Amino acid sequence: QLAVTQPPSASASPGAAVNLTCTLDTGHSRYAVAWHKHQPGKGPQYLLRVNSDGTHINGDEIPDRFSGSSAGAERYLFISSLQSDDEADYYCQTWDTGIHVFGGGTRLTVL
Amino acid sequence: QLQLKESGPGLVKSSETLSLSCTVSGGAVGTRNHFWGWIRLSPGRGLEWIGAIYYSGKTYYNSSLRSRVTMSVDTSRDQFSLKMNSLTVADTAVYFCSRHLKVRSVIVPGLVDFWGQGLLVTVSS
Repeated sequence: QLAVTQPPSASASPGAAVNLTCTLDTGHSRYAVAWHKHQPGKGPQYLLRVNSDGTHINGDEIPDRFSGSSAGAERYLFISSLQSDDEADYYCQTWDTGIHVFGGGTRLTVL
Repeated sequence: QLQLKESGPGLVKSSETLSLSCTVSGGAVGTRNHFWGWIRLSPGRGLEWIGAIYYSGKTYYNSSLRSRVTMSVDTSRDQFSLKMNSLTVADTAVYFCSRHLKVRSVIVPGLVDFWGQGLLVTVSS
């Protein structure tokens, strides 16, 4: 069954970098994922797509300090030069014909 | 600049039908490159995809909600809508309308590349 899992929390200091992880289930380890950022009271924001070959494509106006990579069934979101505004819930999404699933989200704290 | 705006009741009663609309501005629902969808967020279920519709009316629904959900699209008004019947308190959530990229060469919704701001819907018992 198509599924993605994420650790519930992560933290890093302002100015530092963080790598968030999204793990695809074993049977779908070559699927692409999309990463989304969500802050309370706002609509989520699409950040980028990460492919199984490690390439990534940023969404419109998403700065280069957001990037993605892959290793096996894991898809990563790398955020460099962390700012206070990066504090948010980050969700990964994957899909197949007629099926879309989201991970449980990782709450990133910038402290 | 693209904007998606949800509208509808913030409070509905259990067993009733929820009707939500999404108005698209700065873009057109009649585009061949996108699907238009609904996603909800609740503390118990996290983000849950409800379904998506193409400008032609072709729909894809979450299999767990298919029996209760109907989507429609109005290209003349750049709007699309969601109806969900037989509501329970478990349907309480923030409902987002969304835009999906269409998967290349097939009429299937791919990743979500734009979201509305969301609308809190509370189902009362």
